[in-house]
This record gives sequence, structure tokens and C-alpha cells, in this order.
Amino acid sequence: AQKVTQAQTEISVVEKEDVTLDCVYETRDTTYYLFWYKQPPSGELVFLIRRNSFDEQNEISGRYSWNFQKSTSSFNFTITASQVVDSAVYFCALSEGYQKVTFGTGTKLQVIP
Amino acid sequence: GAVVSQHPSRVICKSGTSVKIECRSLDFQATTMFWYRQFPKQSLMLMATSNEGSKATYEQGVEKDKFLINHASLTLSTLTVTSAHPEDSSFYICSASPRQGIVNTEAFFGQGTRLTVV
Repeated sequence: AQKVTQAQTEISVVEKEDVTLDCVYETRDTTYYLFWYKQPPSGELVFLIRRNSFDEQNEISGRYSWNFQKSTSSFNFTITASQVVDSAVYFCALSEGYQKVTFGTGTKLQVIP
Repeated sequence: GAVVSQHPSRVICKSGTSVKIECRSLDFQATTMFWYRQFPKQSLMLMATSNEGSKATYEQGVEKDKFLINHASLTLSTLTVTSAHPEDSSFYICSASPRQGIVNTEAFFGQGTRLTVV
């Protein structure tokens, strides 16, 4: 069975601070995919990144960066120089195949101006 | 990226009535779509897997007679909440991926439907 743990329920930071959202996963498969989604107050899910289990290269996209470490089964997400618009709930998710996705419980990020 | 459209985005219905939610893949075909439910301040929980041309597969604890799923074409899946009750009030969201054999691809999500049963 697959499981995704996001231990941080809520995080508050002051604008321009860096913040890291933690994600730890469990799976028995050797082939799997990891995701991060953003859910703003309006409710829709915004896709941020997908990473497959064979690609441990860290990725940077603007102010966003992701650190994938198979040795610790972690896929952490860092926002640099946070902005108020970053306030949302962020979900880490895992898929072992056929697009069925298991979500973590989410981390609510509040960026204070 | 691929687009998944969900309709309606919000619906309020009276207790005891039925509500239909549509999930369409606009620019690709999807043999499989997924329906999730999200209660306030909680994560998204998979309800069922919708298979084109066959019966849906429901997760444990989800009543198949209450949440009717129909996947009549490669671009449309519908979820009908029958005899809705206030406890069915939730955020329902669907997802689909472009058909690519057995290769897993990114799942695209609809905009979600916020159902309120009064």
C-alpha cells in the first residue's frame, strides 16, 4: 500500500522568507511518480511538478525547488522569497501506476505580508 | 497541458434530491477517470475509478448505489449523488490522463464541484 505523509499541518511565514514543505512517502513499487499540487482558496488543484522514481535530480522552477531523495523516501518542496500569492494548501502525492493518485494530508501555507 | 473540465463548479440542492456532476476531457481521450472527495480542511480521498464501457470500481466504504458513476464515452464521466443528504456536502473533483498504454502520465484534474446539500 502507498502512503504519503505531510507532517506539517500549517506553516506561517513572513513574506520574502524561504519555506520548505516536507513530504515523506511509502511504496513497495520501484516505479512510481511523485507530485506536488497547490490548492488555493478557490479550490482547484494546480499541478506544480511530477517526478518519476528514476530521476533523482533536483529541480528548480523560478522560486520553486524540489529535493527528491530516495534514500529517505522524501520529496520536499521549497519556496524561496515567499509571496502572499503563495498562500494555499499544498499537497504532495504519489502514484504507482494508471494515474491513481494518493494524496498526503496537505500543508496549509500562510504568507504574511 | 491537457484540459479536464468539470461542471458545475458549485451546486446547492435540497436534501433527498439527486445531483449530477460531469467530468470531460476536452482535448484527449481517457479510458479511465478518477473521482475524489475532499471534506473541509481534509485531504482528497479517492472514491472510485471510472472505466469507459464498464462498471466503476469503488473504494472501500463508498456506497456504489449512492454515488452512481457512468463513463459512457472516452471523454465523459458523470458522478450522480443520489438522495443527497447534508453529510454529502463536500468538494468533488475528477481527474483523467491521456491514454498512453501502460505508461503512467500526469493526471489532470478538473476544477472541482462544491456540493452543498441543504
